[in-house]
This record gives sequence, structure tokens and C-alpha cells, in this order.
Amino acid sequence: EVQLVQSGSEVKQPGESLKISCQGSGYIFTRQWIGWVRQMPGRGLEWMGMFYPGDSDARYSPSFRGQVIISVDKSISTAYLQWSSLKASDTAMYYCFTMENDAFDVWGLGTKVTVSP
Amino acid sequence: SYVLTQPPSVSVAPGQTATITCGGNNIGTESVHWYQQKPGQAPVLVVSDNTDRPSGVPERFSGSTSGNTATLTITSVDAGDEADYYCQVWDDATDHLVIFGAGSKLTVL
Repeated sequence: EVQLVQSGSEVKQPGESLKISCQGSGYIFTRQWIGWVRQMPGRGLEWMGMFYPGDSDARYSPSFRGQVIISVDKSISTAYLQWSSLKASDTAMYYCFTMENDAFDVWGLGTKVTVSP
Repeated sequence: SYVLTQPPSVSVAPGQTATITCGGNNIGTESVHWYQQKPGQAPVLVVSDNTDRPSGVPERFSGSTSGNTATLTITSVDAGDEADYYCQVWDDATDHLVIFGAGSKLTVL
């Protein structure tokens, strides 16, 4: 069974850095895209970007390019989403997903990030 | 970039059929995926590639596309189907790549 296990909730202050994680299991990690979706409070789904571990190809939404970095550690089948300087507007739930046949078929349970002074 | 238009809300009585639409320019030529998100939960893929149902999704869920509209149909609706539903396509023509509709909240009366 394919599973994605995300790291726990975070509470940060503006300007701080953060790296959240998503560990995959039950599939060959290097053979599927893995990515991130943001959901701000009371709002819809926004695709942030994704990474193909097999060849390190990374794709970003123009809305998030330059704002976050998506990376992976193949040795532990884990993807990361990181910020260098958080803003209050980064407060949201972040979901990781894997992709098969162009659809996001498996999702993590989400990581809640709160940025507040 | 490509825009997907969904009704903000859809209401249906238990046992009836719910239809949730997703409008987009020539969406009938696209591959449309549908996700269900119940309150406080992660999204779940319920229809992929316009009409395919992933393993474990009830046959009550079906998808179709024609012209400028994609449709998710849920028959014999029950309270457990109350959720937000999102359509999604790929936009290879621009950098945006992945486009979600704004979502439709299905209320079971």
C-alpha cells in the first residue's frame, strides 16, 4: 500500500526558516513524481510544485517559484518543502502527493503551518 | 492561464443524484481529474482521466466531459458524500502546469 507520512504541525514566527517533510513507502520512490499543494484557511487547493526523484527534475507553479524549494532525499524516500523566510501569509495546510497517470492518486494527511508573531 | 469554473455550492436530497460541473475552454479535449475533500481531511482522488474510478471508489461516482464542461455525477447521494469537490487539469501550454477549480461544496439536505 502506497503511503505518504508527513511531519507534524509547526508554529513559527515571521522571518524564520522551515523545512517540512513527506516520507513515501510502498512504491519505488524514484519512479513517481512527488509534490506539494497548499490550502489556506477556508480556501481551495493550490498546486505548488513537484519533483521527480529519478532525474531530479523540479517543476514549480509560477506563484511559488522563488518562494519555496522542493527537494528530496532518495536514501530515505523523503520529500521536503522549505522556506527561508516565512510570512504570515504562509499560514496554511500543506499536503504532499504522488502522481500516477497525471492524477494525484495518493495524498499525505497534511502539515499545518502557522506563522504568527 | 487556463481557468476552471465550478459552482460554489450544490445541494441535493438524500437518495437523489448530484451533478457538479467544471467549465473550461474545450475541456472536452482535456484529461480531467476529480477530488473529494471532506472537512478536516486530505483530498481523495475519486475520478481520474475523465471517467476512471480508482480502486475503492464506489460506482456511484462517475465522470464525463463534453465541449466546455466536465461533470462529476454522484448517484444515490448520502450524508457521507457531503464534501468539497475539486476538478483539476494539466495546462501544458503555460508554466502553471496544474490547474484546480475553486471547488464546489456538496450539501446533502
